[in-house]
Amino acid sequence: SQTIHQWPATLVQPVGSPLSLECTVEGTSNPNLYWYRQAAGRGLQLLFYSVGIGQISSEVPQNLSASRPQDRQFILSSKKLLLSDSGFYLCAWSVRVSGRGDRPYEQYFGPGTRLTVT
Amino acid sequence: SQELEQSPQSLIVQEGKNLTINCTSSKTLYGLYWYKQKYGEGLIFLMMLQKGGEEKSHEKITAKLDEKKQQSSLHITASQPSHAGIYLCGARYNFGNEKLTFGTGTRLTIIP
Repeated sequence: SQTIHQWPATLVQPVGSPLSLECTVEGTSNPNLYWYRQAAGRGLQLLFYSVGIGQISSEVPQNLSASRPQDRQFILSSKKLLLSDSGFYLCAWSVRVSGRGDRPYEQYFGPGTRLTVT
Repeated sequence: SQELEQSPQSLIVQEGKNLTINCTSSKTLYGLYWYKQKYGEGLIFLMMLQKGGEEKSHEKITAKLDEKKQQSSLHITASQPSHAGIYLCGARYNFGNEKLTFGTGTRLTIIP
């Protein structure tokens, strides 16, 4: 069965410090990977998604970047954190469909990382 | 206005009672996803609906997608304390676009 891991679980960082959050998926190959942020009072927002190694699409202009160095590894980074980067960061995966699929596929989420920027 | 609206925003229900949560889209859906989240935790996948008129059930939770594929409801029968949490609907609007757009969530509290 498939498992998705995120670490760290919680993080407290000062403004201006760098950030690296990691997400790994087990039990599947060639997944689509996603980074979402859930901020207080703002709902769940897609930040980045990736359909393959080195392929990153950004949804929202921001202080963050993402990378996919390996097939099942997705990293969220920042060079200098802002207060507004605080939130709950969730990684998700779904099956990658090649060609024209006949249905949407389930999207599964990790346990999340709670980031507090002070 | 939001592409995806959930109602109600919060719901307090006595244990054993039935309840319904609604999710309405301003556009036709390619897929509609229901998730449950406990505070501080990740999202638990409940169900995904694709076809107009489709209905799926898992234990005491039933989700339906209307024929026009713009509205979904999540119904819980004989609610239990374990049902408490935040319910989120997520919308996918077309093939090739893997992104999910989420509603603002419904916070469900179950009173013993």
